[in-house]
Amino acid sequence: DAKTTQPTSMDCAEGRAANLPCNHSTISGNEYVYWYRQIHSQGPQYIIHGLKNNETNEMASLIITEDRKSSTLILPHATLRDTAVYYCIVRALSGNTPLVFGKGTRLSVIA
Amino acid sequence: EPEVTQTPSHQVTQMGQEVILRCVPISNHLYFYWYRQILGQKVEFLVSFYNNEISEKSEIFDDQFSVERPDGSNFTLKIRSTKLEDSAMYFCASSDWVGAHEQYFGPGTRLTVT
Repeated sequence: DAKTTQPTSMDCAEGRAANLPCNHSTISGNEYVYWYRQIHSQGPQYIIHGLKNNETNEMASLIITEDRKSSTLILPHATLRDTAVYYCIVRALSGNTPLVFGKGTRLSVIA
Repeated sequence: EPEVTQTPSHQVTQMGQEVILRCVPISNHLYFYWYRQILGQKVEFLVSFYNNEISEKSEIFDDQFSVERPDGSNFTLKIRSTKLEDSAMYFCASSDWVGAHEQYFGPGTRLTVT
């Protein structure tokens, strides 16, 4: 079962920042936090990952609390194409460990 | 940009028939996966594959399922005798090394069992 808890759905106005929270209170020291998204039944798409430090790439920023029990994915300027289901996943990086998906957060970006 | 491809995009089959779903992972990748997603439900892991062997499999991946890498490019999932409950989107994924963080997913094959 997924080790994360996310809100079922969120709305965001186009052009505004979308902040998607995730709780992972039972995360282990060797587990990373990953974010993937799935646009309308397409294959999931990797967004970003982190271990302890905050991370930023061209798609998003990931803020991880100091105790690592929760994190927030930030899409700085949401567009209509960011409408998708966003999955927060914790995973130990050992071998080809599979991803365990939860139900995710359905983000709707509204014009 | 390299991508994972899957064929067919949609497969309709009758209950009890065998189906083979095909995937072409990214060319230098070594680790391969199959996941499935029943309509409206979570993405579920089926099996991982490395060095011509199954690395890990879920409870879903029973004796009706098998995987194969028949040549240097294709990765296949076979369902021996399909059931109605096998109707789902099947996603193939690959990653390039054991420490890779990113799994690259294909667009999926929609399997409909009638």
